[in-house]
Amino acid sequence: DAGVIQSPRHEVTEMGQEVTLRCKPISGHNSLFWYRQTMMRGLELLIYFNNNVPIDDSGMPEDRFSAKMPNASFSTLKIQPSEPRDSAVYFCASIDRGSGELFFGEGSRLTVL
Amino acid sequence: RKEVEQDPGPFNVPEGATVAFNCTYSNSASQSFFWYRQDCRKEPKLLMSVYSSGNEDGRFTAQLNRASQYISLLIRDSKLSDSATYLCVVAYSGGGADGLTFGKGTHLIIQP
Repeated sequence: DAGVIQSPRHEVTEMGQEVTLRCKPISGHNSLFWYRQTMMRGLELLIYFNNNVPIDDSGMPEDRFSAKMPNASFSTLKIQPSEPRDSAVYFCASIDRGSGELFFGEGSRLTVL
Repeated sequence: RKEVEQDPGPFNVPEGATVAFNCTYSNSASQSFFWYRQDCRKEPKLLMSVYSSGNEDGRFTAQLNRASQYISLLIRDSKLSDSATYLCVVAYSGGGADGLTFGKGTHLIIQP
């Protein structure tokens, strides 16, 4: 079975540019999470969706960040405009409700110059 | 947001030794507990769930101490391949979407 699929795997961009990260959750998982990981702050929850509806976006750092989930098989995380402090690995994850196990994508490594 | 705390390490351990580390949590209403493993430049993956009575999976043993609000992970006969970061995860609502909190991880290095 395909796992959580994220793209791009790596992105290098310049400050001020728009960045869009994409995620396809595991089919049948109805909750999707966006996390950001840095050495200093560890793994931080940015936002999560239940049945395509955003439930908690309190972790979104500021208005430059937005996330959408137009259908059960696709979500985007957008940063506009990007800043160097946004450099991190962004993980998408979906959850198996039965076991409570989170399945992560391979992550999108973002570098903002 | 409730806190989940881990010793970041690194723990430097010789191959074959036994190593253990703990994770403390602040919310006494916590319901579900997990250990995830994250290899360098990879995504976290579930290592094992932690059950109230404690559980074992091969060389790995997980324990829960509700009175003191911590969970532990013990690795016996450590292998070089055990080198990774171990993340403690605590869920406050039965493993549902909300309340799932990660610790920052404990970095383990197994040395030959």
